[in-house]
Order: sequence, then structure tokens, then C-alpha cells
Amino acid sequence: RKEVEQDPGPFNVPEGATVAFNCTYSNSASQSFFWYRQDCRKEPKLLMSVYSSGNEDGRFTAQLNRASQYISLLIRDSKLSDSATYLCVVNIRGGGNKLTFGTGTQLKVEL
Amino acid sequence: ETGVTQSPTHLIKTRGQQVTLRCSSQSGHNTVSWYQQALGQGPQFIFQYYREEENGRGNFPPRFSGLQFPNYSSELNVNALELDDSALYLCASSFNGAISETQYFGPGTRLLVL
Repeated sequence: RKEVEQDPGPFNVPEGATVAFNCTYSNSASQSFFWYRQDCRKEPKLLMSVYSSGNEDGRFTAQLNRASQYISLLIRDSKLSDSATYLCVVNIRGGGNKLTFGTGTQLKVEL
Repeated sequence: ETGVTQSPTHLIKTRGQQVTLRCSSQSGHNTVSWYQQALGQGPQFIFQYYREEENGRGNFPPRFSGLQFPNYSSELNVNALELDDSALYLCASSFNGAISETQYFGPGTRLLVL
């Protein structure tokens, strides 16, 4: 079983739609949680950290459920520029600062 | 831009050869991590260097080795290249090796092994 699992997609949505991505992680020692965005043939860039209380950054909302080992990302009012691959990432206690990535979920926002 | 630079941007090698990839960390950062990203996959952790010492290693064979210099730049060396080593190699720098520190990625080196 992979340490971080995501639906690879693609998710094809019209501009203005709301889209949600889910991710599960298997290691209960996971301590820090992130969503990274990766554009085609580019490096991953931090989109947002994820906290137990949930957090919001503009159109983006992230949630963490430690009991279920589940992380989510909600994008409201999708823009064409949101088209990218969204990587769910965890950092496991005792592993230094080693990020463990999911395979990513591809989002395509269409006119 | 993150301020993390990598060289070269692209590289073509043949099976059995050796390769050295380079990374310059963001100013003020003393920790560099290396990741391998195969096509269609998420990045996989190779190893991390903190103040010139290896600070964790992923599930990669010993032919993957690294180095960090006093200015905190880093090299990744891969010996006896195999076809499956073809991937995007990413380095990421952070302020220190703490688990809470954000890692900033460089643009990567695309390696093709023929």
C-alpha cells in the first residue's frame, strides 16, 4: 500500500466549478501535511499547509482529519489557471524533513 | 522564483555511465533534499543533507550518493546508470532540517538514460 494515496484523475471541470480532491495517508506518525501544485514539466510549488482546524487561502480550503488519516482540498470558482497536478504531501515524524508525495491528481479547467 | 537553481537542465547518458547533478540552495538555507520524479509519479525522496551531513535517506541503492559543500550547495551522483534512472531530479532547500520547515524546489534536471 502506498504511503499517500490520491485519485490520479484527470478531473475535467468547467470554469467556475467547485472541485474537491481527497487524499489518504497510511503512517499515523505523519506530522505535517501540505498540498503542492505542479504545472506540466515544472517543479512542485507549495500551495498551502494543512492544519487540523482546517485552513483557507482565498478560493482554496484544506482540511485534515487525523482520526481517518484523510486530507482534502477544495477549490471554489475554478479558473483556467488552476489547471495543474495537485500533490498531497506528508512529513513523517522521525524521518528528518523527508516529504512523502502522492502521485498527484490532475485538474483540467475548461471554458 | 524560489532562488533554488539546478544544473544542468537536461542531460542524456547511456546505461552504465555516471552522472553528477548540482543544486544551489536558496540564500540562508542550510538543508538540501533530493527527489526523483518518474513520469506520472510523485517525487520520491532520495536523501537530505543538513550542514554537510546526510540527514536521512530514502529507499535508493548506494550507487546514488551525495555531497553538500560549506556554502550549502549540493551534488547528487549516480553511478552505473540504469534505464529506470530516467526521471526528473529535483532538489529542495529549506531553512533547516526541522520537520516543519517549508521546502522550496528548484526547476529540476531531466535525465534520460539510453
